[in-house]
Order: sequence, then structure tokens, then C-alpha cells
Amino acid sequence: DAKTTQPPSMDCAEGRAANLPCNHSTISGNEYVYWYRQIHSQGPQYIIHGLKNNETNEMASLIITEDRKSSTLILPHATLRDTAVYYCIVRVDNAGNMLTFGGGTRLMVKP
Amino acid sequence: GAVVSQHPSWVICKSGTSVKIECRSLDFQATTMFWYRQFPKQSLMLMATSNEGSKATYEQGVEKDKFLINHASLTLSTLTVTSAHPEDSSFYICSASVQGYGYTFGSGTRLTVV
Repeated sequence: DAKTTQPPSMDCAEGRAANLPCNHSTISGNEYVYWYRQIHSQGPQYIIHGLKNNETNEMASLIITEDRKSSTLILPHATLRDTAVYYCIVRVDNAGNMLTFGGGTRLMVKP
Repeated sequence: GAVVSQHPSWVICKSGTSVKIECRSLDFQATTMFWYRQFPKQSLMLMATSNEGSKATYEQGVEKDKFLINHASLTLSTLTVTSAHPEDSSFYICSASVQGYGYTFGSGTRLTVV
């Protein structure tokens, strides 16, 4: 799986958009970008994934650069409940071998 | 769909005793279950991979005789921390990979050894 780099922490004001970056400059052509988050003292939760097109679901949007070397997870209207550690993971598929978690970004949403 | 139920959510035990953590797949069959450990302010670290009906595969540095994993059925995997010590205090999380769905995680077990 390709290595990812994320800022260790970020703050966001409640109600504003939270933009979480992820660098994955060594990503291969068949690798997807997955985002998970972990709220304190809970198991990780799947958010979204994409290959090269931008994706949107009820939780977030994923913007992947044209060269696929970086991506941004966007929470359009962050709430206090979005405070969590967000993990960007690059891999070929979303099943099979174990997921490898990096350091992630600790997002603090403030009132 | 694809829910993993993990119990207990927290447990406190005395040093030297054993603790069992259960993970059940509620609406699918989990042929493989992954067990992670997470220390405060750190990321999840894979401990072992359990496969139904066979021996678990442990990551380097994880003592297989201390962390006993049993995956006797397609819906149940257990992790037993034997002769627990304070340094085993951690957050333990199980996960299953579901074809066509992705990864689903248990809610975690916070173990405190006193």
C-alpha cells in the first residue's frame, strides 16, 4: 500500500467546512484513496473512497488531484460530533488484507 | 449491514488474571478477523489476523502465548489476554473484511489492568 502523509492536527470552527489534506505521491494507478475516521474510544468508521474522480456522499466529499498525488476530504458543515482522528489510506481494494493505519489527522471542531 | 459486535466495551482486571474479548459478526460470515491494539494518542497497530478454523497469524513482536485468539466459527472470534499486566492496558479493536462492502470495525474494548 502506498504511504500517505497527513498533518497531525487541525482545528475547524463549527458550521464551517473542514478540509483535510492527504499526500500520497507514490500512489499506483490501481490504488484507491480511502478515508476513515475514529471518534474517541470508538472503532474506525468508513467515510468515503475514490479512484480518480471526485466523490460525494452524505458524510463528505473527496477531491483527488488530477495527478492523484494528493487528495482532500471535505466535511462541508463541520459539527462538534465530527471531532475525531481522520485516516487517509491508499490501497488496491477495500477488502482482503488488513488495513494499515498511519498517524491520521486529529480534527478538533470548536464552537 | 456488516455489523461487528464487540464485548465488553470496557473491562478492569487485576494483574495476573485473564480477560476475554469477543467479536461477533451479526449479519455476515467473517472468515477473517483482524485484531488491533491502540495505545493513547497513537494509531491502530495490527496484532494478529484470525482465520476461521485455523491458527491465527501474529505480527512481529506480539506474543502468541499471551494473546490467545480463537476463531472457531464464522461469526465469532475471541481474543484472550492471559496473565495481564498493566502494560497490556490498551484499546483493543476487532475488524472484519467483507467482500463488496469493505471493512467493518467493532466498537472497541478498553482494557485497564490494575
